[in-house]
Amino acid sequence: DAGVTQSPTHLIKTRGQQVTLRCSPKSGHDTVSWYQQALGQGPQFIFQYYEEEERQRGNFPDRFSGHQFPNYSSELNVNALLLGDSALYLCASSLLGLAGARFFGPGTRLTVL
Amino acid sequence: ILNVEQSPQSLHVQEGDSTNFTCSFPSSNFYALHWYRWETAKSPEALFVMTLNGDEKKKGRISATLNTKEGYSYLYIKGSQPEDSATYLCAYQTGANNLFFGTGTRLTVIP
Repeated sequence: DAGVTQSPTHLIKTRGQQVTLRCSPKSGHDTVSWYQQALGQGPQFIFQYYEEEERQRGNFPDRFSGHQFPNYSSELNVNALLLGDSALYLCASSLLGLAGARFFGPGTRLTVL
Repeated sequence: ILNVEQSPQSLHVQEGDSTNFTCSFPSSNFYALHWYRWETAKSPEALFVMTLNGDEKKKGRISATLNTKEGYSYLYIKGSQPEDSATYLCAYQTGANNLFFGTGTRLTVIP
């Protein structure tokens, strides 16, 4: 049983560009959440997807958008990249509505130059 | 933005020592408290999810307690081993189902 997978592992972009990160949830999970971890910080909640809709959103600008596909996989898109978007982006899968543990992927390290 | 605080920020202990860390969180709108272990170059791994005041959970040498009335949780490691070296994250879950993480406690166990 594959756990949560993310691609790519590392990514380097320049300011103003756009980026798409991908996540496949653990088998049987229907909910995907995205987190941003900047250096020295804990993971910050970006948004959560369930049934192909954004269900909740953290304090992130509209430049951050996402999508969930019928197979529950998800994408995170960031437009007009800023230097401050450089971070580790984590994807976590779970079952909606339960106080269950999140299963995390290894993350995508984004560097914006 | 909910404030979840962890202390200490980092900790060095000798192999065989026992240690504990603290997670403080808002006592309002509480749904669950999560603990994760995050080893370098790996994914965060769930240790415990606790929902009830007074909950105590144990996994091998690691245990955790929860006090929702005063808003804190303790994680204990008995007889630390080098493989326990990791960052330990706690996360507060609200009824809205998303998690608010602390900045973590970085544990180094010296052989």
